[in-house]
Amino acid sequence: NAGVTQTPKFRVLKTGQSMTLLCAQDMNHEYMYWYRQDPGMGLRLIHYSVGEGTTAKGEVPDGYNVSRLKKQNFLLGLESAAPSQTSVYFCASRQSGTGKTYGYTFGSGTRLTVV
Amino acid sequence: AQSVSQHNHHVILSEAASLELGCNYSYGGTVNLFWYVQYPGQHLQLLLKYFSGDPLVKGIKGFEAEFIKSKFSFNLRKPSVQWSDTAEYFCAASGGSNYKLTFGKGTLLTVNP
Repeated sequence: NAGVTQTPKFRVLKTGQSMTLLCAQDMNHEYMYWYRQDPGMGLRLIHYSVGEGTTAKGEVPDGYNVSRLKKQNFLLGLESAAPSQTSVYFCASRQSGTGKTYGYTFGSGTRLTVV
Repeated sequence: AQSVSQHNHHVILSEAASLELGCNYSYGGTVNLFWYVQYPGQHLQLLLKYFSGDPLVKGIKGFEAEFIKSKFSFNLRKPSVQWSDTAEYFCAASGGSNYKLTFGKGTLLTVNP
């Protein structure tokens, strides 16, 4: 049981290039999230999904697109990378429902540098 | 708007000192509260969480937090810190029916030996 797996772990892009970050979870979780972490800013939500085929904008969605074609995968795309997108990206998932039964599981992060 | 604020940006302590990190939240209705720790170069790890019931929550590594509803606070405490506790600590919250987890900006804890 791998939990939440992010690929790649590191990437360097040139300004204007595109790339896709992959998040895969094997826990049959309904909800998935993409966050970015920047020094002094904590983690900020980019996009999230509450089920296969659905996505929604978070706090900082501009410059990113997402897709959830399969329940276990949540893709984050950068169409035209900018230096401001240099960050560490974390994916998370959790099962549906409320109360004590759910908890968030985080991936190990993707460190992206845009030059 | 839902928000989480952490009082201290950087806390520096000596080993064996007591720790308290402040966290306040702004949420309507039911709230679920979390503390995460991130050691240098690593990903987030859950320290403890509060959903309901006893407002004093005990977590891993000797950490505890107290939910005080009247103060909208969920402060993290540890009686005696160790050098290995050096890390960044994040408070986070989500509403009872809210899908999203909102983080504070984090507190960097440095423990000097």
